[in-house]
Amino acid sequence: NAGVMQNPRHLVRRRGQEARLRCSPMKGHSHVYWYRQLPEEGLKFMVYLQKENIIDESGMPKERFSAEFPKEGPSILRIQQVVRGDSAAYFCASSPLRAGDKTQYFGPGTRLLVL
Amino acid sequence: DQQVKQNSPSLSVQEGRISILNCDYTNSMFDYFLWYKKYPAEGPTFLISISSIKDKNEDGRFTVFLNKSAKHLSLHIVPSQPGDSAVYFCAATAYGGATNKLIFGTGTLLAVQP
Repeated sequence: NAGVMQNPRHLVRRRGQEARLRCSPMKGHSHVYWYRQLPEEGLKFMVYLQKENIIDESGMPKERFSAEFPKEGPSILRIQQVVRGDSAAYFCASSPLRAGDKTQYFGPGTRLLVL
Repeated sequence: DQQVKQNSPSLSVQEGRISILNCDYTNSMFDYFLWYKKYPAEGPTFLISISSIKDKNEDGRFTVFLNKSAKHLSLHIVPSQPGDSAVYFCAATAYGGATNKLIFGTGTLLAVQP
């Protein structure tokens, strides 16, 4: 998957706990996207970040979800007080956003299971 | 509002024959289209893309056709191989604004029979 790294690959949480998902983009990529895939559905956009900036969070639930992409280190998707409906596969993608090329390269995903 | 639609949830093809996966979209602002392949428990893998200024793009066994007037694109795989068996997602993005978020279809499960 073109070098995008995500960890953990699997995460189990009980209702009310916090989940932290990490994403390291491909080398040279400074644009990160998070998507969520619920069971039996396609991928849904959540948030788009550049270093230290949230550019578009129109797909993020209004409460409990937050994302960051600090100057140093991976991008983090944080889910507070998880509920069973948060169980899904969360994918990170990165892009260089060269002129004329909007390709996004995906990581292997984090599968979150809320008990 | 499903802006990108893949109306065939599944497709079965014989090895060596052509696979044709279809995708329709409703948003005329979309100007870049991509196809991804996904195996279970893995992330989507980029296959091929096409800009709205073109009507065809080819890469090896994969060809994508874009019909802007019909708001329709298709992915042709020829010849199909058993290793092509996976879920295929069509995705689109719109020019303009600060974001290039992808809008995905619901996927088509391709099964290539040996």
